Amino acid sequence: NAGVTQTPKFRVLKTGQSMTLLCAQDMNHEYMYWYRQDPGMGLRLIHYSVGEGTTAKGEVPDGYNVSRLKKQNFLLGLESAAPSQTSVYFCAHSQGSGANVLTFGAGSRLTVL
Amino acid sequence: GQNIDQPTEMTATEGAIVQINCTYQTSGFNGLFWYQQHAGEAPTFLSYNVLDGLEEKGRFSSFLSRSKGYSYLLLKELQMKDSASYLCAALDSNYQLIWGAGTKLIIKP
Repeated sequence: NAGVTQTPKFRVLKTGQSMTLLCAQDMNHEYMYWYRQDPGMGLRLIHYSVGEGTTAKGEVPDGYNVSRLKKQNFLLGLESAAPSQTSVYFCAHSQGSGANVLTFGAGSRLTVL
Repeated sequence: GQNIDQPTEMTATEGAIVQINCTYQTSGFNGLFWYQQHAGEAPTFLSYNVLDGLEEKGRFSSFLSRSKGYSYLLLKELQMKDSASYLCAALDSNYQLIWGAGTKLIIKP
């Protein structure tokens, strides 16, 4: 996934623990996104950012927080993990909004026990 | 509500042709994307249609009918490496992407 690094790739958490997923892109793109992917469902947008210092809620933002302090980095935080947050998380970026191609990171598989 | 429908799973034979359908209902429409996702990997862009008609890109073609709310992805000369999930996503009037659950394509020798 040229230009997109997502860490960690795998993580197991206990209910109530916190963690942060990091997405880093080197394409100098303004738009960044966090999605979750669950079996039998389409990708669902958690939060997104249209530029450094900005964030916005997506379709399923509850239980997550994000920060975009630097243009190349978009962090997704879980303050108090719940089993319902067991999922595969994908970061993505695009040059612009709308009809722009998304480039996805390799994904982070999170299990909350 | 907004909705994307595509078959859950399809099976085809190596060397054959397969058509994966997608129907959409969105608040406004600004185009339709197809992405390919191999198991355990990230989705990767295949095509984008905003006007009616067929767009061909090598072995892959994508078709759109805006009046019918319908698209399909056509894969020719199937290869084993085409085994993957194919995700359909429509852009609504707010330029938000609405994703289908994906079609898992199984290629048999």
